[in-house]
Amino acid sequence: ETGVTQSPTHLIKTRGQQVTLRCSSQSGHNTVSWYQQALGQGPQFIFQYYREEENGRGNFPPRFSGLQFPNYSSELNVNALELDDSALYLCASSQRQGTDTQYFGPGTRLTVL
Amino acid sequence: GQQLNQSPQSMFIQEGEDVSMNCTSSSIFNTWLWYKQDPGEGPVLLIALYKAGELTSNGRLTAQFGITRKDSFLNISASIPSDVGIYFCAGVDQTGANNLFFGTGTRLTVIP
Repeated sequence: ETGVTQSPTHLIKTRGQQVTLRCSSQSGHNTVSWYQQALGQGPQFIFQYYREEENGRGNFPPRFSGLQFPNYSSELNVNALELDDSALYLCASSQRQGTDTQYFGPGTRLTVL
Repeated sequence: GQQLNQSPQSMFIQEGEDVSMNCTSSSIFNTWLWYKQDPGEGPVLLIALYKAGELTSNGRLTAQFGITRKDSFLNISASIPSDVGIYFCAGVDQTGANNLFFGTGTRLTVIP
């Protein structure tokens, strides 16, 4: 059984660019949540996807968007990148909607210059 | 929004010592979780608490869910070098997507 995987591991972009981050959920998991972790802080909830639809959203602007695919993998897209978007982006999968047992991937480190 | 504050922010202890850290919230949570994060890794779930007053152990780790449902603490007994890392508490928002609200973290250093 494979765990949650994310790609790429590191990424450098410039202000104003767009970025796409990818996540493969753990086998058997149909729910994916995305979190942003700024340096020295705890992760903050961005949004969750269940059965290919957004199922909840944190306090992030619309330029943060996502997708979930039929195989339950997911993408996080960020448009018009800002310097403050520099962070570790974590993906977590869970076995079903409404469960608190979320398994995290290693994250993608995004640097915006 | 919910704010979870952890204390201490960091701690340096000798190997073999016991460790205690706590987490307080401005809001009530019905589920509390404790995670450990190593450098370059995602958080790993250590203990889950589901009932006010509950005391739960996982090996050398013991966590309690506060009676007010606004706090929790984590104890580590007989610390070892691999306990080094950042410990996060998290409350579960069960009004929506069961997303997690994380605390500010406690960075633990164990001196051999």
